[in-house]
Amino acid sequence: SQQGEEDPQALSIQEGENATMNCSYKTSINNLQWYRQNSGRGLVHLILIRSNEREKHSGRLRVTLDTSKKSSSLLITASRAADTASYFCATDELGDSSYKLIFGSGTRLLVRP
Amino acid sequence: GAVVSQHPSWVICKSGTSVKIECRSLDFQATTMFWYRQFPKQSLMLMATSNEGSKATYEQGVEKDKFLINHASLTLSTLTVTSAHPEDSSFYICSAREVSDLLPYETQYFGPGTRLLVL
Repeated sequence: SQQGEEDPQALSIQEGENATMNCSYKTSINNLQWYRQNSGRGLVHLILIRSNEREKHSGRLRVTLDTSKKSSSLLITASRAADTASYFCATDELGDSSYKLIFGSGTRLLVRP
Repeated sequence: GAVVSQHPSWVICKSGTSVKIECRSLDFQATTMFWYRQFPKQSLMLMATSNEGSKATYEQGVEKDKFLINHASLTLSTLTVTSAHPEDSSFYICSAREVSDLLPYETQYFGPGTRLLVL
């Protein structure tokens, strides 16, 4: 199953510009997380925002959460070529016996030097 | 931070053979492990949740007889793709949750993935 959609599916920007990615989800959540994945590699955890939080910062990352709209956004400021990767949001969903992490469709970000 | 390893990192096999992928939590105990599959340019799709000492819980549409999961210890879960076919070619990623009073329940660590190519 897939929790939700992300937009845009792909984003190409110039180095130094800001990149904004959006994520929508379907069910009630305890928290929402953002991950990064370089091409063909494993996942890197970026940031977690809880359902009672509206905004969170970590370095050049800024995450917002709007539980009324069931949406979140990830902003990367002053982008660098090394930020080129796929970015996924993920939410915890209660399964039969434990919580399980369900991923959004992802945004492929290309930062041009 | 905690480390999750997968072995092998890549495997090529002939159609009809079975392939076993191991997922290990190297420095922590994981009562719950998860198996994901990712096709090129797509997202991670959860296949199953594996709990130590009990049967795995499979997501809808995932054939449990084809994708055998064994979580025999607190540090090891295995995924066996039985009678593999070319359409099973994919990137398989496992993750593990560390259970600790010191950590939030949602602390989850991902393995580096195993790329499977079935000829």
